[in-house]
Amino acid sequence: EAGVAQSPRYKIIEKRQSVAFWCNPISGHATLYWYQQILGQGPKLLIQFQNNGVVDDSQLPKDRFSAERLKGVDSTLKIQPAKLEDSAVYLCASSLDMGGNSPLHFGNGTRLTVT
Amino acid sequence: GQNIDQPTEMTATEGAIVQINCTYQTSGFNGLFWYQQHAGEAPTFLSYNVLDGLEEKGRFSSFLSRSKGYSYLLLKELQMKDSASYLCAVRDLKGNNRLAFGKGNQVVVIP
Repeated sequence: EAGVAQSPRYKIIEKRQSVAFWCNPISGHATLYWYQQILGQGPKLLIQFQNNGVVDDSQLPKDRFSAERLKGVDSTLKIQPAKLEDSAVYLCASSLDMGGNSPLHFGNGTRLTVT
Repeated sequence: GQNIDQPTEMTATEGAIVQINCTYQTSGFNGLFWYQQHAGEAPTFLSYNVLDGLEEKGRFSSFLSRSKGYSYLLLKELQMKDSASYLCAVRDLKGNNRLAFGKGNQVVVIP
């Protein structure tokens, strides 16, 4: 089975610029997640979708971050405008459903550097 | 909310056994996962515990005590390729079933 696909793999932007990341989950996976992982830390959940609806965006900095999953499959995460502290790896993950024992499958991530 | 604590780094010799601990505090525990993450790569799923006791999967075993808010991952017959960060993650039923990760424990395997 194909894994979670993310692009781009790397991105370097200047502060105050905008950036967008794309994710294609594993086919048939209803739940999609965006995590932010700062160097030396564990992943932090930004937003969780169930099909095309938002389940949890309580930790998303909504003044600058937005995400959508319009058709319940692919998703995009946008940062506008970027700050230096947004430098991190942005990981997309998917799971079959929201059940307790459904493991998350992660993509390789997008490494963002804000200068 | 969830509070997950893991020690930061340990070094072990090839062929040895290493135990990685994780303590957590959560109001609606709904399962604990262990993930392995090699540098620059995505986390990969290792194990899942929701009931107390030991789950064994080849060289890796994971233990859970819900009353103590404690889990450990046991790595046996260490190999060089086991050098990675090991992440403990807990689901909180009262937090939209959110999966929250600890900071990870970096294991370095030396010959």
